[in-house]
Formats: sequence, C-alpha cells, structure tokens
Amino acid sequence: DGGITQSPKYLFRKEGQNVTLSCEQNLNHDAMYWYRQDPGQGLRLIYYSQIVNDFQKGDIAEGYSVSREKKESFPLTVTSAQKNPTAFYLCASSMERGGRETQYFGPGTRLLVL
Amino acid sequence: GQNIDQPTEMTATEGAIVQINCTYQTSGFNGLFWYQQHAGEAPTFLSYNVLDGLEEKGRFSSFLSRSKGYSYLLLKELQMKDSASYLCAVRSDYKLSFGAGTTVTVRA
Repeated sequence: DGGITQSPKYLFRKEGQNVTLSCEQNLNHDAMYWYRQDPGQGLRLIYYSQIVNDFQKGDIAEGYSVSREKKESFPLTVTSAQKNPTAFYLCASSMERGGRETQYFGPGTRLLVL
Repeated sequence: GQNIDQPTEMTATEGAIVQINCTYQTSGFNGLFWYQQHAGEAPTFLSYNVLDGLEEKGRFSSFLSRSKGYSYLLLKELQMKDSASYLCAVRSDYKLSFGAGTTVTVRA
C-alpha cells in the first residue's frame, strides 16, 4: 500500500525536551512538507524539502529543525526553543506531473506538552 | 505576503447545496486546491484548479477566477458525512498557503 505514515499518533513532551516526529512516504515523491495546525487556524508551513539533502524554512521555522537524508524520510525535531509546541503536526508529500502538483497528507501527530 | 479568506462556518440541510467561497491575494499563483478535513483527521484532497472555469467531480465542483482572486467549492446533494472543515489553499513558489477553513455542518 502506497502512502504517508507518521509516528507516533500522540506525543508528550516535557519542558526543555527535544522530540522528533517521524514522516515516511513510499510514493516516490520528491517534495515533502511539515505543517502545524492550531485550533481555528489554517495549516502553517514549518519546513519543506524539494529534493534529498536540501530543505527550506517555511513561515514558522523557529524552534524546529529537519533533515532529508533519504527521499522517503523527512523527520521534524521540535526543540526546546519552541515555546508553544502543542499542536497537530501534519506531514505531506507531492510530485509534479504535467504541470499539476498535489500534496497528500499523512495522518498527523498530536503533540502535547506536560 | 499571502492572504486567503473563507467564511468560518456554514450550516445546511441534508440534500441541499452549499457554496463555500474563497478569496485570495498572493504573490504568485500556481493553482488553487480544496481539501476536506474531518475533525481530528488529516486533510484529504478534493480538487485542483489552475485555469479559470468550473471543474466538476461527482457531487463536488470547484470554480476559479484568477483575475478576481476568487474560487468557490460547491457541494451538492449534501450528506451527513459531508460535515467537515473545508480548506482553501493557494500554491505559489512550490508552497501551499492555507485559509483558516470553513466548518460545514449538515443537519438532518
């Protein structure tokens, strides 16, 4: 089955702790994205990567870090510098074909601060 | 910067039609997307418009006017399972910018 997987589904973070959210895709998509969703707000872009070993900051990158060592994987680390990390985190991937590009989302990880 | 506006909430009756409007002001435009998101779940892709006009896909249709910076999503023959949030997103420079979403409640 092709798709995007995120783990864990729920994650609890203690104050001052770094945590890493996993995102894996077997769709052979080149581009991958991380979004954050807060209640009543739209998705906001944290980081994106168009190709392996390259990534760019999105609109709210402060307090987050990523890596893209493999095409299939784009993990997101929420560092202790992110003071308000409680949110729903969504990973997406996409491939452009014939001028059309569609992003498909993973099931999400809900991060809560203890 | 990007500015994408859509109504916060809409309510409609089962079997009816609802139209969700989206206006946008963005630097660059490479297409407009509509996603459906049920509570606690990930968004799922509904439609993509890059040229002006109407795209129909079953009970759902999406319209785009690039000159007016305007799109709408039309949901016909509403069913209870259509109760969800509908997200408008504009693509520019390889990135998607999302509106806050419109929560549609379908009543029996």
